[in-house]
Amino acid sequence: DAGVTQSPTHLIKTRGQQVTLRCSPISGHKSVSWYQQVLGQGPQFIFQYYEKEERGRGNFPDRFSARQFPNYSSELNVNALLLGDSALYLCASSLDLGSVEDNEQFFGPGTRLTVL
Amino acid sequence: LAKTTQPISMDSYEGQEVNITCSHNNIATNDYITWYQQFPSQGPRFIIQGYKTKVTNEVASLFIPADRKSSTLSLPRVSLSDTAVYYCLVGDRNYQLIWGAGTKLIIKP
Repeated sequence: DAGVTQSPTHLIKTRGQQVTLRCSPISGHKSVSWYQQVLGQGPQFIFQYYEKEERGRGNFPDRFSARQFPNYSSELNVNALLLGDSALYLCASSLDLGSVEDNEQFFGPGTRLTVL
Repeated sequence: LAKTTQPISMDSYEGQEVNITCSHNNIATNDYITWYQQFPSQGPRFIIQGYKTKVTNEVASLFIPADRKSSTLSLPRVSLSDTAVYYCLVGDRNYQLIWGAGTKLIIKP
């Protein structure tokens, strides 16, 4: 069974540019969450989408946006990149049917973004 | 949203039992506690989840006292491959899980 996939695996951008990261959830999972993980720190929640609707948003500026498609895949967009946006961006999917037991998140390998 | 506090790092030896404690003093009634494991350059992996008392699965046990202000992840008979960062999370019904800084566990031969 395919797990959560993310693309690209690595990306190098310069300040001011825009970037789009992609995520495909596990088949049957309708919830996708995005996290930013700076080296040496824990993941920080950015967004959660469920059934194409934004369910939650973390404390990130409006430069960060996301969307979920009818096939439940998702994209994370970051505009006007800053040096501080350099991080590992993780995508996680879950069944999220409402019970605690369905909240287990399955993470992808992440996209390593470097902003120069 | 509750925040968590964990030791920054811990050392142990192969074959030992390792206990990692997490504090979450502001945990709410509906919050649940989840632990994840992360290896370098990989996404986190679910270990165990619980709400109260004790939960056990094939890889770990989770102990939660009655006041739920802390929890302890117990890893029985660790091996070198258990060297990783372990995260304690507290989640509410909004599913905005708060990730702490994690505990870097180093297992020595």
